[in-house]
Amino acid sequence: AQRVTQPEKLLSVFKGAPVELKCNYSYSGSPELFWYVQYSRQRLQLLLRHISRESIKGFTADLNKGETSFHLKKPFAQEEDSAMYYCALKKPSNTGKLIFGQGTTLQVKP
Amino acid sequence: DVKVTQSSRYLVKRTGEKVFLECVQDMDHENMFWYRQDPGLGLRLIYFSYDVKMKEKGDIPEGYSVSREKKERFSLILESASTNQTSMYLCASSQSGGDQPQHFGDGTRLSIL
Repeated sequence: AQRVTQPEKLLSVFKGAPVELKCNYSYSGSPELFWYVQYSRQRLQLLLRHISRESIKGFTADLNKGETSFHLKKPFAQEEDSAMYYCALKKPSNTGKLIFGQGTTLQVKP
Repeated sequence: DVKVTQSSRYLVKRTGEKVFLECVQDMDHENMFWYRQDPGLGLRLIYFSYDVKMKEKGDIPEGYSVSREKKERFSLILESASTNQTSMYLCASSQSGGDQPQHFGDGTRLSIL
């Protein structure tokens, strides 16, 4: 069965420190992976998708098929990065159905 | 910009009541979704719809039903509300095909007393 695992409920770092939010998935085909973010009192929104190979707000994520991982990284955390982050897996189909991980709260301390 | 609107931000209902949560999107998206969001459990898919009058069960459909009579509107129905349905409910929509992202509403925090 398809599954997304985010092993950390809470990640707390100091401003300026590197950040890595872990995401592992189980899927036998070619996955499409996303990171979504929810800032305090805001709606859940797309942060980045692996197919675009983009960097958004300094965050990057690389798909590692060998390790079945899609970790989210940022070299220098900012206080405004504090939020809930969800990793999500989409099966290639037209329904757009996503499987979400449990979420990781990132807390960036001053 | 895509707008997904959920009819209520906060809702308080009593056990046994029939509860309707409404969601409207303005971008002519084919796909619409209902999730519940609980701490430590992430987002869990309740139902989704890929066209008018079409629906499929998600991972936790028990106790819920949905209605999609028009393309822009997707309703979630709690047939007989119970306290374990107290949660944050999120609606989302997306275009079909490719890697189209889902666009979310603000959520409805539902309390069942």
